[in-house]
Amino acid sequence: GQQVMQIPQYQHVQEGEDFTTYCNSSTTLSNIQWYKQRPGGHPVFLIQLVKSGEVKKQKRLTFQFGEAKKNSSLHITATQTTDVGTYFCAGTTQGGSEKLVFGKGTKLTVNP
Amino acid sequence: DAGVIQSPRHEVTEMGQEVTLRCKPISGHNSLFWYRQTMMRGLELLIYFNNNVPIDDSGMPEDRFSAKMPNASFSTLKIQPSEPRDSAVYFCASLRYRGGYTFGSGTRLTVV
Repeated sequence: GQQVMQIPQYQHVQEGEDFTTYCNSSTTLSNIQWYKQRPGGHPVFLIQLVKSGEVKKQKRLTFQFGEAKKNSSLHITATQTTDVGTYFCAGTTQGGSEKLVFGKGTKLTVNP
Repeated sequence: DAGVIQSPRHEVTEMGQEVTLRCKPISGHNSLFWYRQTMMRGLELLIYFNNNVPIDDSGMPEDRFSAKMPNASFSTLKIQPSEPRDSAVYFCASLRYRGGYTFGSGTRLTVV
């Protein structure tokens, strides 16, 4: 079945440093979504990418979707303590399914 | 908009007991998903409904698990009998057509 891999599993940074998490799918994706889950909380939708090679920005966050629509990345510039949490990518396969398969997430901790 | 509402927030039960988790999706959302989250396995899709009809239940681990959606504003996930390995956080999420899921706050289930 479809698998979504995410690396790294954990990332510790000093406040102000940049952070990147990578996502790879075993199959071509229809779209990819990114979620953030704060400790003790629930996943919160951040963004959806649909087009091959698409790049989207949200303030300090930059999201990319690979040309082959099998990989994606999330980059945070100048991390802040409010960025702490686990970042998940999730994808749907082509064919119209609404079924999202989640990666295992990257847990980000930020030292002030 | 009250968001996706799940109850109870926490459930502690003894092995062998029946457990029922409840979810009220956002009004107007036509798809509903049940996920289970554990440290080992991450976020796993158990089952999803489209317009109250179960579409994919391939993630339901065993016959002990069952889910219903009798109407557009209510769904249940039942475990009978419960086992310690069912301990996890169970999330319900809803979706209106395409785009990001909205997750509920989850039910933390502990089976002792």
